[in-house]
Amino acid sequence: QSALTQPASVSGSPGQSITISCTGTSSDVGGYNHVSWYQQHPGKAPKLMIYDVSNRPSGVSSRFSGSKSGNTASLTISGLQAEDEADYYCSSYTSATTWVFGGGTKLTVL
Amino acid sequence: EVQLVESGGGFVQPGGSLRLSCAASGFTFSSYAMSWVRQAPGRGLEWVSGITNSGGNTYYADSVKGRFTFSRDNSKNTLYLQMNSLRGDDTAVYYCAKRTSGRSGFDCWGQGTLVTVSS
Repeated sequence: QSALTQPASVSGSPGQSITISCTGTSSDVGGYNHVSWYQQHPGKAPKLMIYDVSNRPSGVSSRFSGSKSGNTASLTISGLQAEDEADYYCSSYTSATTWVFGGGTKLTVL
Repeated sequence: EVQLVESGGGFVQPGGSLRLSCAASGFTFSSYAMSWVRQAPGRGLEWVSGITNSGGNTYYADSVKGRFTFSRDNSKNTLYLQMNSLRGDDTAVYYCAKRTSGRSGFDCWGQGTLVTVSS
């Protein structure tokens, strides 16, 4: 199972919006609405930010939103804040009854 | 409060074995599927294995199939990952993770335990 494709890095200034893409195949991202996004700060465990493409768990800021079109999912963070600086990973359920993660995207808040 | 605490990591030589444990609390453990996810130093997340809530079905990434065995004891609220024939590329922090209801994602993670495979 190949990892989902994410950009290695993105950056933005405080207050701006950024979007991170996550490209898979029809066997994962395109075939199921079970795409999730995780935030990971250095030395910390990942934190679920979005599940089932566009749903936010309780306690996650509404500045985080998700969407999907075909085999590509996206995470958008609006009103960037310094504390958003972290690594972000997408994940999808697959037709092999497994899960696959993206390679991760490092977000830098300038 | 939902809590997952991994243990059992350490240093092991190539070809060796190690058993990881994950103690769960704060939720009805027997109602949820669980997974192990690992992260090699400086690298991204890799899903390793999953188990259904009853323990009746297990699933593995190709990279560990035939070498790792995932099990659970619902009477002890504990997960186990038996790792055999360890290789250098198994070196990673291993996280246990609670799945949401269905296949939506992983909503709770432990702090991780480091496994180092080296001669």
